[in-house]
Amino acid sequence: DAGVIQSPRHEVTEMGQEVTLRCKPISGHDYLFWYRQTMMRGLELLIYFNNNVPIDDSGMPEDRFSAKMPNASFSTLKIQPSEPRDSAVYFCASSFGLAGVHTGELFFGEGSRLTVL
Amino acid sequence: AQRVTQPEKLLSVFKGAPVELKCNYSYSGSPELFWYVQYSRQRLQLLLRHISRESIKGFTADLNKGETSFHLKKPFAQEEDSAMYYCALSGRETSGSRLTFGEGTQLTVNP
Repeated sequence: DAGVIQSPRHEVTEMGQEVTLRCKPISGHDYLFWYRQTMMRGLELLIYFNNNVPIDDSGMPEDRFSAKMPNASFSTLKIQPSEPRDSAVYFCASSFGLAGVHTGELFFGEGSRLTVL
Repeated sequence: AQRVTQPEKLLSVFKGAPVELKCNYSYSGSPELFWYVQYSRQRLQLLLRHISRESIKGFTADLNKGETSFHLKKPFAQEEDSAMYYCALSGRETSGSRLTFGEGTQLTVNP
């Protein structure tokens, strides 16, 4: 397995543009997480899904952010419109079962580095 | 609510010196604590978990419930230990499915 796959690896866009980040979890994993990494705040959980259903989106900063998981092998995180303060590295992670989460077995993608000018 | 605090954003030591990365947590129930590591140009990965009481790459971490701490220690740091380290907490009694991370500590081991 190639692990969690994220695209694009790097994205540079201008303020006001729409940004879509993509994630393919590890096959068979039923939990999917979106995290944002910044120097000031470290890793923040934005939203997570269980069996393609959003369970907790309390970490989503505002209505400009949305996430979907149309099937077990694909998820998107969309920012519309983007702002400079959204610049960060966005990580997707997947896990198998609640036990996997409790034992810390989250598998991370390589991240998508977003720069909003 | 669950919270993880890593008071040091940056930590620099010399090769062969002891290193301790601090982690404190806040959680009302029985926590599961972990350390994750991100080496340069690599994915964030699990380093160790308190429940396993294991030593990985010479690192150990002891859960101190009285002090609500889970500090990561290594007696003799190596240059290859230079990385970003995150402490994380999972709470079983709550919704329990979230893994909460601290702010991270960038460790640099100088030759």
